[in-house]
Amino acid sequence: DAGITQSPRYKITETGRQVTLMCHQTWSHSYMFWYRQDLGHGLRLIYYSAAADITDKGEVPDGYVVSRSKTENFPLTLESATRSQTSVYFCASTHRILAEAFFGQGTRLTVV
Amino acid sequence: GESVGLHLPTLSVQEGDNSIINCAYSNSASDYFIWYKQESGKGPQFIIDIRSNMDKRQGQRVTVLLNKTVKHLSLQIAATQPGDSAVYFCAEREDKIIFGKGTRLHILP
Repeated sequence: DAGITQSPRYKITETGRQVTLMCHQTWSHSYMFWYRQDLGHGLRLIYYSAAADITDKGEVPDGYVVSRSKTENFPLTLESATRSQTSVYFCASTHRILAEAFFGQGTRLTVV
Repeated sequence: GESVGLHLPTLSVQEGDNSIINCAYSNSASDYFIWYKQESGKGPQFIIDIRSNMDKRQGQRVTVLLNKTVKHLSLQIAATQPGDSAVYFCAEREDKIIFGKGTRLHILP
């Protein structure tokens, strides 16, 4: 299906485990973003990417790693999950700077 | 530093009335602003955008106003309907998109 998809939709993991959230878009958009959404904090930018092999930190990058070897994929890895990383994670993409971003459905991650 | 924020966390509006949601931004160099709507359990959805060389932009039932002098952005929704009930975010865009905290719009019957 065309669009932007995130997987999994729901994930429960244990403290200290590594977990990877996937994001895939079919538009060949240059820009991709990862946000986390917590109650009272709105959407906070974790990492973003302007093109394949180019990534940059956002507002809250600590504890996360990203890669972008292909334009259509932008996985987010929590190297050693902590309870404070329990959140809803959204991926987004856009084709140019002055354009709106399109969001995935989100991944609800619970770290126990 | 950069910040995008909203004046009110919750707004209650009578069905059929107009809604006005406000947003303040601090980066005077920002040249592109976006309003998003987020319904429960879903990702944010684009509503309308405006560039800094404009003061006003209209869409279907929505209008965005930009006042660069006081660094203020507003979203006006005409004839508010139950389906407008959601959280609304303003965002500013350079190479990254920074969001404000959001305003929940509650529609009264």
